[in-house]
Amino acid sequence: EAQVTQNPRYLITVTGKKLTVTCSQNMNHEYMSWYRQDPGLGLRQIYYSMNVEVTDKGDVPEGYKVSRKEKRNFPLILESPSPNQTSLYFCASSLSGRNEKLFFGSGTQLSVL
Amino acid sequence: GQNIDQPTEMTATEGAIVQINCTYQTSGFNGLFWYQQHAGEAPTFLSYNVLDGLEEKGRFSSFLSRSKGYSYLLLKELQMKDSASYLCAVSQITGFQKLVFGTGTRLLVSP
Repeated sequence: EAQVTQNPRYLITVTGKKLTVTCSQNMNHEYMSWYRQDPGLGLRQIYYSMNVEVTDKGDVPEGYKVSRKEKRNFPLILESPSPNQTSLYFCASSLSGRNEKLFFGSGTQLSVL
Repeated sequence: GQNIDQPTEMTATEGAIVQINCTYQTSGFNGLFWYQQHAGEAPTFLSYNVLDGLEEKGRFSSFLSRSKGYSYLLLKELQMKDSASYLCAVSQITGFQKLVFGTGTRLLVSP
């Protein structure tokens, strides 16, 4: 089944403790992206990747890192999480990143205490 | 810059028709997407418009007017399962898949 898999689904952590949210897609998509969703603000792009080893900042990249060492995986790294990073995170992918529909992962609800 | 406006919340009755509007102001417009998002779940693709006019897909239709910066999603024969948030997203030509999402319209369908 074609899908984008995110883990974990829920995560509670404390300020400053490094964490990684994993994202994997099995559709051989070139384009992958991370979004955060906050009430009243909608989905905002954090980082995106056009292909292996090609990543770029979205609209809210501060405090986040990403890597794209393999085509299928696009982990989101929070080196030193802070409470303002408490949010619902979604990974998404599309074939080439040119006006195609996005396939979203099931989301990760992160709480930073 | 870009600005996307949608109503925050709408209510409708099962079996009725509802229209969810989206207005936008953006540079380099390159198409508009509608996504459906049930509470606690991932958004799923509904429609994509790049040319003016109406695109019909079953009970759902989407309309675009580029000159007016306006789109709407029309849902017919509403069902309880249509209760969800509907996200309008504008694609910009400046980037690869540079999608800017509106804050979404929460639709509540009552019996």
